Amino acid sequence: EVQLVESGGGLVQPGRSLRLSCTASGFTFADYTMSWVRQAPGKGLEWVGFIRSKAYGGTTEYAASVKGRFTISRDDSKSIAYLQMNSLKTEDTAVYFCSRDWGRVVYWGQGTLVIVSS
Amino acid sequence: IQMTQSPSSLSASVGDRVTITCQASQDISKYLNWYQQKPGKAPNLLIYDASNLETGVPPRFSGSGSGTDFTFTISSLQPEDIATYYCQQYDNLPSFGGGTKVEIK
Repeated sequence: EVQLVESGGGLVQPGRSLRLSCTASGFTFADYTMSWVRQAPGKGLEWVGFIRSKAYGGTTEYAASVKGRFTISRDDSKSIAYLQMNSLKTEDTAVYFCSRDWGRVVYWGQGTLVIVSS
Repeated sequence: IQMTQSPSSLSASVGDRVTITCQASQDISKYLNWYQQKPGKAPNLLIYDASNLETGVPPRFSGSGSGTDFTFTISSLQPEDIATYYCQQYDNLPSFGGGTKVEIK
């Protein structure tokens, strides 16, 4: 059974950093692109970015709203994807979901809440 | 790519046919998915590649379209269909429509 579990969310002050983790199980993690999607309270879904598998270069793509501040990485030996969030802004407050794949997304985590507030 | 979804909300009776549209700002071929999201839950994929029903999804859900104009239909609205529905394109870097909240009248 595919499982994705996010962790690392919490309350953080504007300008500070936070790292989210997505721990995967039930599939060969190294073979898949891993994505992050967020949802601000009461708002719609916003794609954040993804990291390709090593077979596709392990390269990353980001939404314009987070490019230069957020970094996605992966540890295939631990089956974990990371979202490093720097220079956080109040508008980054959201539930952050990790997911497997980036197009046809079937598997999602339960989400972790990040609140950026002073 | 901007995705314009309409309406933003709708209210319909059980058994009604419900239609949601999504328009892309440029040609995305067939690379359009539809998701259902219930409060406090992750999205659930219903339709992929514009018109293909995801495994295990009831056949009352359907999708059509290509290029820039897409339609999502619930043929007979059921109480458990109360949710917010999102289109998502992946021809280029992914982006979502603004969502349609479906309520029971």
